[in-house]
Amino acid sequence: AQSVAQPEDQVNVAEGNPLTVKCTYSVSGNPYLFWYVQYPNRGLQFLLKYITGDNLVKGSYGFEAEFNKSQTSFHLKKPSALVSDSALYFCAVRDRKAAGNKLTFGGGTRVLVKP
Amino acid sequence: SQTIHQWPATLVQPVGSPLSLECTVEGTSNPNLYWYRQAAGRGLQLLFYSVGIGQISSEVPQNLSASRPQDRQFILSSKKLLLSDSGFYLCAWGAGKETQYFGPGTRLLVL
Repeated sequence: AQSVAQPEDQVNVAEGNPLTVKCTYSVSGNPYLFWYVQYPNRGLQFLLKYITGDNLVKGSYGFEAEFNKSQTSFHLKKPSALVSDSALYFCAVRDRKAAGNKLTFGGGTRVLVKP
Repeated sequence: SQTIHQWPATLVQPVGSPLSLECTVEGTSNPNLYWYRQAAGRGLQLLFYSVGIGQISSEVPQNLSASRPQDRQFILSSKKLLLSDSGFYLCAWGAGKETQYFGPGTRLLVL
């Protein structure tokens, strides 16, 4: 079984400050990990993924995430948040042997960046 | 490049009416296809997935069904809608081991 937890329903940050969105996961084997962003009434947009290799993954719009196997975490970070980063963020995990390559999503974290 | 389409964008239907939502993908062959429902703007629930034409796996028993009549076409249906079927329906495609890419979604309101 695979599962994802996003412990914060909402994160508030001032523009220009660092942004962190937390994610922890549980899989039976080695994970594939993903971050997506959703703007109101839109589909999910892919931000970045960890498949293998370097634990620090860089993605779109200045976002990055660090895979930490010992803590089973994959936190999303951005050094300097923009008001336009305000959106709903989803972490997702897939066991490498999952049937149909199914993803399991966290409940989402709403990010509000204030000017 | 690959593109995924969903229609309609918005749908208002009475309880007990049928439903048909369509998803098509361009620019790829033999993709895995997925239907998700998102309630109240939060978490995503996987409803169905398909690894090939005519192959449908259901994740949650419910009032909905899915079909894949062509390689890049995925249809979500219901014979009689319930109030609880209201939500935001997202189609996604994936190739091999990699990322799933999502369509723009269909907002369904059942009254």
